Amino acid sequence: LAKTTQPISMDSYEGQEVNITCSHNNIATNDYITWYQQFPSQGPRFIIQGYKTKVTNEVASLFIPADRKSSTLSLPRVSLSDTAVYYCLVVGGGYNKLIFGAGTRLAVHP
Amino acid sequence: EPEVTQTPSHQVTQMGQEVILRCVPISNHLYFYWYRQILGQKVEFLVSFYNNEISEKSEIFDDQFSVERPDGSNFTLKIRSTKLEDSAMYFCASTEGGAGYNEQFFGPGTRLTVL
Repeated sequence: LAKTTQPISMDSYEGQEVNITCSHNNIATNDYITWYQQFPSQGPRFIIQGYKTKVTNEVASLFIPADRKSSTLSLPRVSLSDTAVYYCLVVGGGYNKLIFGAGTRLAVHP
Repeated sequence: EPEVTQTPSHQVTQMGQEVILRCVPISNHLYFYWYRQILGQKVEFLVSFYNNEISEKSEIFDDQFSVERPDGSNFTLKIRSTKLEDSAMYFCASTEGGAGYNEQFFGPGTRLTVL
């Protein structure tokens, strides 16, 4: 399982775009990049997943360069309710457990 | 929208006692998991379960832990003799498929406090 590295914490203000970058240098050909969000005292929640280039859904965008050694989660126009921990995970077809790191603790300020 | 449910939301027990944490996965899901999160720490994988048997377990999941799907809807985690260090949030999750890229749906968790 490829190890992931992401910033421990980030601060932002309401209405700003937030970009959280994750590095995963040893990602395997069959692996995907997945992001989960966790609010205090709640279970993690899937946000977005991608293999390469760009993926967008109603919550976020995920940018993955051609070498796939990193990825960037983009949250447009954050609000106070986006204050949470964001986890970058590498997942694959051959294994189904999720290996969480420490995540990035995002604080959105008024 | 279907969701994973867990009971109880909070369990307090004395060291050495047995506890059973209950989960109801999403009805058409076939793969089930337990994770735990000690306060202030990361989410840790405990065990995965498919077709009525354990698929994989972590080092944390020792002989004091067991899982069971006693009927068609519940998925339980039993800790036989609780220790102080078992105090944590326990999350159940389920997926439709067994591949890692299948979205895992997590329940709200059970907070276990061992005194």
